[in-house]
Amino acid sequence: DTGVSQDPRHKITKRGQNVTFRCDPISEHNRLYWYRQTLGQGPEFLTYFQNEAQLEKSRLLSDRFSAERPKGSFSTLEIQRTEQGDSAMYLCASSQARPGELFFGEGSRLTVL
Amino acid sequence: GDSVTQMEGPVTLSEEAFLTINCTYTATGYPSLFWYVQYPGEGLQLLLKATKADDKGSNKGFEATYRKETTSFHLEKGSVQVSDSAVYFCALQNQAGTALIFGKGTTLSVSS
Repeated sequence: DTGVSQDPRHKITKRGQNVTFRCDPISEHNRLYWYRQTLGQGPEFLTYFQNEAQLEKSRLLSDRFSAERPKGSFSTLEIQRTEQGDSAMYLCASSQARPGELFFGEGSRLTVL
Repeated sequence: GDSVTQMEGPVTLSEEAFLTINCTYTATGYPSLFWYVQYPGEGLQLLLKATKADDKGSNKGFEATYRKETTSFHLEKGSVQVSDSAVYFCALQNQAGTALIFGKGTTLSVSS
């Protein structure tokens, strides 16, 4: 069990550019979550996968955001045409079936200039 | 919609002091309740949980009891240590069992 890993840990980009974050969950976990966290706030749910199926999306996930989990393994979160308001920490978590026991990665911090 | 409200921080205590961090929730039905902790430079990790009314979750000397009548899940520890300095998040998961909904977090700072 190597834990949830996220890459890159920090991304600085200019407004209007596209960025992609990768998450590698704990290998036997079939559920994968993306959250966004801004300073002084708790994590806000973005989307959730069970295996390769994206089962739930928050209204926070505008059409500039897309997430995939091909083959039910790693996941990517892409943000197109970034805006300064997208600056945040993007957290990935994975879990098995037990309720609420999410294992979080250390996050990918996005700074949009 | 479902929501979690935590007491605002920061909470500053001396070592061996008693800790309470208040958490109340709004949800339909019977959610599961959680406390997560984020130590400096680390990812969020589950501290304790309770899945039904009157359950008490406990871990590392921390406790919280699921009180449905007051819709609360307050975190307590009898004697805090410097190593407990962290940000604590209360969270709920509704009966559908998908996403966790988090509070804003409470920063705890313990000095020796």
